[in-house]
Amino acid sequence: GENVEQHPSTLSVQEGDSAVIKCTYSDSASNYFPWYKQELGKGPQLIIDIRSNVGEKKDQRIAVTLNKTAKHFSLHITETQPEDSAVYFCAASPRGNMLTFGGGTRLMVKP
Amino acid sequence: GAVVSQHPSRVICKSGTSVKIECRSLDFQATTMFWYRQFPKQSLMLMATSNEGSKATYEQGVEKDKFLINHASLTLSTLTVTSAHPEDSSFYICSARDGGAVEKLFFGSGTQLSVL
Repeated sequence: GENVEQHPSTLSVQEGDSAVIKCTYSDSASNYFPWYKQELGKGPQLIIDIRSNVGEKKDQRIAVTLNKTAKHFSLHITETQPEDSAVYFCAASPRGNMLTFGGGTRLMVKP
Repeated sequence: GAVVSQHPSRVICKSGTSVKIECRSLDFQATTMFWYRQFPKQSLMLMATSNEGSKATYEQGVEKDKFLINHASLTLSTLTVTSAHPEDSSFYICSARDGGAVEKLFFGSGTQLSVL
């Protein structure tokens, strides 16, 4: 089955700086890679996703890149704000199959 | 994005009692819903897959008689924790697939269960 590794487990940045979270996956059949943001006591919220036929996708301050050859994908947050502080999860999914989640990254943005 | 409503958000119960958690897809039909369990500072652990009109599929190690799942309609799935014990205390989260985009998964707001 699929295995997703996520790094770092914690990340502290200064407000305005960029944050990068990286994930690797094992199953070359995976073709859908979403990212979720989870605030304390709440369910995960889908913030951006990318499919394997695309190398990069951007939505305002958030971008995701995918390297199929190396089997890794990354989340980039620019101009971080305190409200970006949360736990972020990456996930991977073979076609039509269930998501496998990474271990999560706790992002702290210091004002 | 699609909206998944989960209730209650928090429940405290005595050991030995049963607790029911509801998960509703508000603006789409969900033939498949998923139930996760999350311990503090950990990732989501898939417990079971709930299919409308059929029996749920449980992950290895999850007791089906303890965690009863019912998916009676295309918009509602319920998880009942039977004879709850303190070790069942956890954050339970449901999710549903928007049928228009097979892979997209939307989550409910979660239920914090505390068993005394």
